[in-house]
Amino acid sequence: DAKTTQPNSMESNEEEPVHLPCNHSTISGTDYIHWYRQLPSQGPEYVIHGLTSNVNNRMASLAIAEDRKSSTLILHRATLRDAAVYYCILRDNFGNEKLTFGTGTRLTIIP
Amino acid sequence: GAGVSQSPSNKVTEKGKDVELRCDPISGHTALYWYRQRLGQGLEFLIYFQGNSAPDKSGLPSDRFSAERTGESVSTLTIQRTQQEDSAVYLCASSSGTGIKLAKNIQYFGAGTRLSVL
Repeated sequence: DAKTTQPNSMESNEEEPVHLPCNHSTISGTDYIHWYRQLPSQGPEYVIHGLTSNVNNRMASLAIAEDRKSSTLILHRATLRDAAVYYCILRDNFGNEKLTFGTGTRLTIIP
Repeated sequence: GAGVSQSPSNKVTEKGKDVELRCDPISGHTALYWYRQRLGQGLEFLIYFQGNSAPDKSGLPSDRFSAERTGESVSTLTIQRTQQEDSAVYLCASSSGTGIKLAKNIQYFGAGTRLSVL
């Protein structure tokens, strides 16, 4: 799977929007962009995924750059419960089933 | 419905002992994965089962590690002659499909088993 680059940490105020960036300059045409997050003392949980178009679900929005070399996970109104490590992962139809996790972005929410 | 269940949640063992970790996947999920997460680090893939196919064992760090799964049900990860460097959280995940839907496949994780080797 192609590599992703994320900032090690970010802070945001409670009830403010949060934009978590991810660079994936070597993305291929068949790679989907997935985001997972890991709350303290829990296993990772799926957040959202997309291919080319921006995506919205009940948890977040995913904005994908036109050239697909970067993407941004958007939490519209951060709560304390959103404090977690966020992982950006690329998956294609021809690679292994395993998820390749980098170090992710540790998001701290300030009350 | 029930999520992925792992047991025990915590395991403390002495160096040199064998341990068995258990994973109950979501009912109907054909794929099952084991990962390891050392303190402060990302997840490392260990092994993957898909239906009755031969498992992908490419992530197992040594021959002390093995895993079994019967059909599409419970899996056990066994670590023989544990070492202190085996201390980590062991996470299990399951997913429902593969093939052309691989890139969209969502993995559902359990809470993990925290293994401490003294």
